[in-house]
Amino acid sequence: DAGVIQSPRHEVTEMGQEVTLRCKPISGHNSLFWYRQTMMRGLELLIYFNNNVPIDDSGMPEDRFSAKMPNASFSTLKIQPSEPRDSAVYFCASSSTGGSTNYGYTFGSGTRLTVV
Amino acid sequence: DQQVKQNSPSLSVQEGRISILNCDYTNSMFDYFLWYKKYPAEGPTFLISISSIKDKNEDGRFTVFLNKSAKHLSLHIVPSQPGDSAVYFCAAGSTGSARQLTFGSGTQLTVLP
Repeated sequence: DAGVIQSPRHEVTEMGQEVTLRCKPISGHNSLFWYRQTMMRGLELLIYFNNNVPIDDSGMPEDRFSAKMPNASFSTLKIQPSEPRDSAVYFCASSSTGGSTNYGYTFGSGTRLTVV
Repeated sequence: DQQVKQNSPSLSVQEGRISILNCDYTNSMFDYFLWYKKYPAEGPTFLISISSIKDKNEDGRFTVFLNKSAKHLSLHIVPSQPGDSAVYFCAAGSTGSARQLTFGSGTQLTVLP
């Protein structure tokens, strides 16, 4: 299995532009999570899906952020319009609710977003 | 309100010595805990976990201790190796909350050769 795949690895955009981050979870995993890592807050949960349905989006900072999971193998996180304070590393993770709790999530390699 | 706290942003240890990373939590509903390791430009990877029914779990050089009354857990690495240099995240979850994990802010461990 290739693991959780995120694209792009790096994104540099100008303030006000739309940014779309993509994630392909591990096949068979039915939960998907979007996290943001910053120096100040560490790993923050933005939103998570279970069986493609958004369960908790209370971590989404503003209406500028939106996430979709149209099918079990693909999710997007969109920021429109982007702002410099959105600059961070965004991680996608997936897990199987049928599995052991001992192994938590599998993370992707992240997308480093820079908004200038 | 941070439910999982790692109060030390960084730690330096000499190679061969013990590394002790600490984590505190506030939510008494958490019943399992995990440690993740993160190298630069990579995603966090699972390292070791412990259920609240235990107070210790060991895997090779890594041991996690849980003190439920103090709401505290720690990760011990013995002996520390330069390849252990990474950011370590503590995470906690509740089996009643659909596997949602809450992470601490991380501790940067540097093992000096």
